[in-house]
Order: sequence, then structure tokens, then C-alpha cells
Amino acid sequence: GDSVTQMEGPVTLSEEAFLTINCTYTATGYPSLFWYVQYPGEGLQLLLKATKADDKGSNKGFEATYRKETTSFHLEKGSVQVSDSAVYFCALSDLSNFGNEKLTFGTGTRLTIIP
Amino acid sequence: GAGVSQSPSNKVTEKGKDVELRCDPISGHTALYWYRQSLGQGLEFLIYFQGNSAPDKSGLPSDRFSAERTGGSVSTLTIQRTQQEDSAVYLCASSPGRIGTGELFFGEGSRLTVL
Repeated sequence: GDSVTQMEGPVTLSEEAFLTINCTYTATGYPSLFWYVQYPGEGLQLLLKATKADDKGSNKGFEATYRKETTSFHLEKGSVQVSDSAVYFCALSDLSNFGNEKLTFGTGTRLTIIP
Repeated sequence: GAGVSQSPSNKVTEKGKDVELRCDPISGHTALYWYRQSLGQGLEFLIYFQGNSAPDKSGLPSDRFSAERTGGSVSTLTIQRTQQEDSAVYLCASSPGRIGTGELFFGEGSRLTVL
């Protein structure tokens, strides 16, 4: 079955540091890939997505590129801020399954940014 | 409010009791999902509704778990004869149900503690 493996946390960085959170996946077919973020006290929300190989998703300074050859979708940001402290989840979905956008999630990576 | 609403936000119960968790999705969203978030285990898919029917129940862990949706809106997740391993945060999400977006809108969850 489909699965997502992401970098174990927690990750602690200083403000303005470079961030990478690794994510690899296993899937049959051609999934779409997502990063969701959960800020303290809030529900999960979509951060960015990519629907086909070589696509780059970006939002709020975060980027991730869909790499089919390495089955990866690593999350990066050039300069993190304290407000980026949250739990980040990598996920995949087979959007060809009409209407059922069931997501398979990784275990989440807790990121803490210190001033 | 305009978001996904879940209740109760916290529930403490004794082993063997039944519990009901409620989800009120975003108005007009035809698709509704239940997930379980256990400590260190990420998000686990439980069930998917399209309208009032549940074409995908593959994630329900045992026959103690059931869910229904009425009027194409509110959903209730019921856990009978609760066990300590049922302790988790139960998340509800909704989406418009149209193919291709992959964006689910999550509530803040119901934290269940079974003593």
C-alpha cells in the first residue's frame, strides 16, 4: 500500500537558518504530494502541493519539488522565522479516485525556531 | 464560524463506556473524512463519506468503531466499549468533493482519553 516516510523530529533551528525536512514516499500509480502544517492550537492546513513529477509547490517561502526518480518531496525554506514553529506533515493522495481525496500522512516533524 | 467544527474538544471516559464525537463540516462540502492522530503515529485514515454514504470504511480499526452522516452535513463517530488504546485525537476534515484539489479542511480535533 501507499506510505510516506518523513524525517524524525523534533527539529530545532535558530531564526534565519535554512530548513530541510525530508520526505519520501511509496505509491502505486501517480500520486499527488502535499505538505500540511499544524500550528499550535490550530487544525491542519494545506501548505503546498505538487500534482506531477518535476512540479514545484511553494507557499509562505516554503518550497518542495516532486522528484519521481528519488520518490521524494523534501520541504525547504531559506530563512525560517519563529512563526514557522509548527508540526509539518508530508502526505500523498491518489486524486484519480474520483471524489475520494483520502490522504496518506507521514508521522509529522515538529519544528521549533528559537530567536 | 466558517470552518470545520468538532465537539467535544476534550473527552475523558472510563474503559468500557461508549463515546460519540461530532463533526460539523464546512457548508456545501460533500466529502467528509475522519482521521485518528495517535502520539508518535501520525494521522491514520478511518472513514470517508460522500454525501451520506461511506464508500471507504477501510480504516476503521474494529467493529467497535462506526460513523454516520445525516443530511449530507453533520457526522458522528461512535466508539463502543472504549479501550485505552482508543486514546487519541480524532480529526474531522471536509472538502468540496470535486476531483483534483487534494485540499482537506481540518477541524481542531476531539481529544479522547480512556482511563
